[in-house]
Amino acid sequence: AQTVTQSQPEMSVQEAETVTLSCTYDTSENNYYLFWYKQPPSRQMILVIRQEAYKQQNATENRFSVNFQKAAKSFSLKISDSQLGDTAMYFCALLLIRGGKLIFGQGTELSVKP
Amino acid sequence: DAGVIQSPRHEVTEMGQEVTLRCKPISGHNSLFWYRQTMMRGLELLIYFNNNVPIDDSGMPEDRFSAKMPNASFSTLKIQPSEPRDSAVYFCASSLQGFQETQYFGPGTRLLVL
Repeated sequence: AQTVTQSQPEMSVQEAETVTLSCTYDTSENNYYLFWYKQPPSRQMILVIRQEAYKQQNATENRFSVNFQKAAKSFSLKISDSQLGDTAMYFCALLLIRGGKLIFGQGTELSVKP
Repeated sequence: DAGVIQSPRHEVTEMGQEVTLRCKPISGHNSLFWYRQTMMRGLELLIYFNNNVPIDDSGMPEDRFSAKMPNASFSTLKIQPSEPRDSAVYFCASSLQGFQETQYFGPGTRLLVL
């Protein structure tokens, strides 16, 4: 069975500082994608960043970057220069190419404090 | 692009009533997904369509739930009769093609069944 685990239910960070959200996953498949989604208080799900498992280079999107460790099945999200607008629930998700399933973690609630 | 559009944004109804949730995917996207989000179970995939055809409805909780996609620009999720345990946020998402393409989520419909 495929699983996604986010071990930090809640985190907080001071504005302008850096925070890292952890995510581990389990799958026997070799072809998959990993995502981080952000869900602000408005409840909309917003794609933050995407990583293809076959790529060794870590994905980056402006202040957001990932540390993808395929052997360890780890996919952490680093947010640099945190902003108040980053306050949200963050979901890690695993997409299996074969069979097609998008599996979400339970989420990490991030609070950015002024 | 307007993104994925869902209506209504909020719905309050009484147990036993029929509820219909609506979704308009991003133009040009061939796949549409319905998710349910609750505190207890997190995000769950209910059903997804490819080219208007239901591909996998194994996540639909029971016969009270049904989904249709009569054309490429419109889908409905119906609950009849509704029960208090159906209270959740229901998300619609679309992608260019299947799970291997990034899914873009709508704002969600917050459903409360009294």
